[in-house]
Amino acid sequence: KAGVTQTPRYLIKTRGQQVTLSCSPISGHRSVSWYQQTPGQGLQFLFEYFSETQRNKGNFPGRFSGRQFSNSRSEMNVSTLELGDSALYLCASSLSTGSAFFGQGTRLTVV
Amino acid sequence: SQQGEEDPQALSIQEGENATMNCSYKTSINNLQWYRQNSGRGLVHLILIRSNEREKHSGRLRVTLDTSKKSSSLLITASRAADTASYFCATLTGGGNKLTFGTGTQLKVEL
Repeated sequence: KAGVTQTPRYLIKTRGQQVTLSCSPISGHRSVSWYQQTPGQGLQFLFEYFSETQRNKGNFPGRFSGRQFSNSRSEMNVSTLELGDSALYLCASSLSTGSAFFGQGTRLTVV
Repeated sequence: SQQGEEDPQALSIQEGENATMNCSYKTSINNLQWYRQNSGRGLVHLILIRSNEREKHSGRLRVTLDTSKKSSSLLITASRAADTASYFCATLTGGGNKLTFGTGTQLKVEL
């Protein structure tokens, strides 16, 4: 069974731009969650989608948004990028609840 | 925000020794999961222990959970150089798949 696939693996963007990250979950998994990892704040939960509906949301500004498609693939978007958005963004897929399996992440650098 | 702390922050041992990491958390949980991360890459799921379980084994891994003390420990027996990584505990609370991560323990296993 293929694992969680995140694309792209690396991104460099300029302040003020927007970015879209993609995540394909494990086949059959309907829950997709997104996390931000930085050296200062550690691993922080962004949001979770289940069957195309946002089920949980973390404490991030509205510039961070996401969606999930009918095939469970998910995208997250960050608008008006700031230097502080530089981070490793991780996607995790799960069955309804239970063990979460992570992708390799997208490393975003904002310059 | 972080659910709790992991202790120690860093641990250096010799190959063949056992490594023990501790995790404390703040609120009631559904389950607790342990993950490994190599050099800022994706998280690898190691083991899940439910709130009604006290101990669980998987290969060289042994996890305990004490819900009265809101703490868990991960023991890696007969460690190998390949076990060098950061280890995180994560708690699942409420509905859905929102994981709250600890601060992590950096383990170094030397030959």
